[in-house]
Amino acid sequence: NAGVTQTPKFQVLKTGQSMTLQCAQDMNHNSMYWYRQDPGMGLRLIYYSASEGTTDKGEVPNGYNVSRLNKREFSLRLESAAPSQTSVYFCASSEASLAVYNEQFFGPGTRLTVL
Amino acid sequence: GDSVTQMEGPVTLSEEAFLTINCTYTATGYPSLFWYVQYPGEGLQLLLKATKADDKGSNKGFEATYRKETTSFHLEKGSVQVSDSAVYFCALGVSGGSYIPTFGRGTSLIVHP
Repeated sequence: NAGVTQTPKFQVLKTGQSMTLQCAQDMNHNSMYWYRQDPGMGLRLIYYSASEGTTDKGEVPNGYNVSRLNKREFSLRLESAAPSQTSVYFCASSEASLAVYNEQFFGPGTRLTVL
Repeated sequence: GDSVTQMEGPVTLSEEAFLTINCTYTATGYPSLFWYVQYPGEGLQLLLKATKADDKGSNKGFEATYRKETTSFHLEKGSVQVSDSAVYFCALGVSGGSYIPTFGRGTSLIVHP
């Protein structure tokens, strides 16, 4: 199992450019998440998808859009990048359960710089 | 709402020292509790977890006990190594409720030889 994979690993954009961050998981998990991590800010949730076909906003959704393409894939799009979106982006997945809350599995991250 | 509070770092120790990183929580339901570790340049990975009161999670010499009476889940290790240098996150999730877990802000651990 590859677990959670993310592409690209690194990206440099100019202000106003667009890009899509890709995420895929091979664990057949229902739920997927996008976070950003900034120094001193911990993890902040951008969007999540509780199950295939649904997406919801997290704490910091402005400037981002998402697509749950199928059960495996969850992409994050920046339509017009801004320097404030310079960050490390993590995708995560987990298996939803009514009995117990399960842990999240994280990808290796995408390091994005917007100039 | 749910919250997780963990001690601010960085925590700086010498090799073989005893480690404690405090974590306390508030939750509206009956949460599962987690410790994640993030090594430099990597994503978070699960270190240990506990799903009910008095459970002890353990892994790689780290331990944490789910204390419902004190709403705590402190991380401990008897003898740290340089390779334990990383950022540690305490987190909780409540089954049957929101799909969103709650993370602490993270505690950086630096271990010197």
